[in-house]
Amino acid sequence: EAGVAQSPRYKIIEKRQSVAFWCNPISGHATLYWYQQILGQGPKLLIQFQNNGVVDDSQLPKDRFSAERLKGVDSTLKIQPAKLEDSAVYLCASSLHSLAGVVPGELFFGEGSRLTVL
Amino acid sequence: SQQGEEDPQALSIQEGENATMNCSYKTSINNLQWYRQNSGRGLVHLILIRSNEREKHSGRLRVTLDTSKKSSSLLITASRAADTASYFCATVPRGQGGSEKLVFGKGTKLTVNP
Repeated sequence: EAGVAQSPRYKIIEKRQSVAFWCNPISGHATLYWYQQILGQGPKLLIQFQNNGVVDDSQLPKDRFSAERLKGVDSTLKIQPAKLEDSAVYLCASSLHSLAGVVPGELFFGEGSRLTVL
Repeated sequence: SQQGEEDPQALSIQEGENATMNCSYKTSINNLQWYRQNSGRGLVHLILIRSNEREKHSGRLRVTLDTSKKSSSLLITASRAADTASYFCATVPRGQGGSEKLVFGKGTKLTVNP
């Protein structure tokens, strides 16, 4: 079974530039998550999709971050304009459960996209 | 906001020894999960324990949950150099009103010396 695919693995940009990350979850997984992991910290949830609808985006800095999940499969996370504090690893994860309100079980993570903002 | 807090922040042991990591959390939970993260890699799920369970085993892993103390522990027995990684606890807090999500702690960095 193919895992969660993410690209690019590494990206270096100047502040105020834009960047986009792509994620392809495990086939059949209804729920998709984007987490931000700053060096030395645990992952912080940015946005959670159930199929192609947003379930939670309370910690997404909406003035600069946006995310979409077209047709309930692939997802893209965009940052525009980037700030120095956005330097982090952006992790995409997916899980099987497909009903709103169902307690999540195991999450499957991709390898992450490491962003460095200079 | 981070719900769980792991202790210790870092742990260094010799191969063959046991490693114990603890996690404390603040609010009632549906379940608690442990994940491992090797340097520069994504997180890998290790074990899930539900709020009505007290102990679970998986291979060399043993997880306990004490909901009265809002704490959990992860024991790795007979550690190997390959167990060197960061270990995170993650909780699903109760009562999120349909937006059940997994909240991670800051992790314990385990080093197993050969």
